[in-house]
Amino acid sequence: GAGVSQSPRYKVAKRGQDVALRCDPISGHVSLFWYQQALGQGPEFLTYFQNEAQLDKSGLPSDRFFAERPEGSVSTLKIQRTQQEDSAVYLCASSAMDGMNTEAFFGQGTRLTVV
Amino acid sequence: AQSVTQPDIHITVSEGASLELRCNYSYGATPYLFWYVQSPGQGLQLLLKYFSGDTLVQGIKGFEAEFKRSQSSFNLRKPSVHWSDAAEYFCAVGARGSSNTGKLIFGQGTTLQVKP
Repeated sequence: GAGVSQSPRYKVAKRGQDVALRCDPISGHVSLFWYQQALGQGPEFLTYFQNEAQLDKSGLPSDRFFAERPEGSVSTLKIQRTQQEDSAVYLCASSAMDGMNTEAFFGQGTRLTVV
Repeated sequence: AQSVTQPDIHITVSEGASLELRCNYSYGATPYLFWYVQSPGQGLQLLLKYFSGDTLVQGIKGFEAEFKRSQSSFNLRKPSVHWSDAAEYFCAVGARGSSNTGKLIFGQGTTLQVKP
């Protein structure tokens, strides 16, 4: 597709359930980022991939959060044993190259609600 | 630690009026600076960015921003606002140096409402 695609757009999970959020970046983009955006807040960095390598996972809030990008294209963010505080919009972004001098394109996000 | 502050949570302006959205950052050196816009249910769209050089940066949709090192500010401006500009605006800073991956730190955002 022409842009970053995320699925599902909306997800309702019961507390304690595991969820998986998918990101299809723009074809050929090397860099991929995950951000978490709580209601009324700005996005917060979770993790970064360069191709299939996860180079920065400093923003993952707990060991319940896990991200992968096994073939250097599609990425999945998995949250185990979801808690209410995990409710947020999860944004994926990709860029053509590593570094600041390339624009990151954002997907529409997945809105996760934990009940 | 790096941080971004957007002092105004909500701003309302009349259509055709000028606009200025404030952004202050905290960073040890000159950062990379960005403004993004987010419409309801949409992803973030880059309006403009500052890396170096001319401190007045032109962006899309008629927006501009000025980097003022002495004030640690990067305020966004538009001379005449259109109703379609109503959205959430985010200022962001990117880290320089060896970990120059493109990771961004965002402010809390400013919601812009446009009155007819």
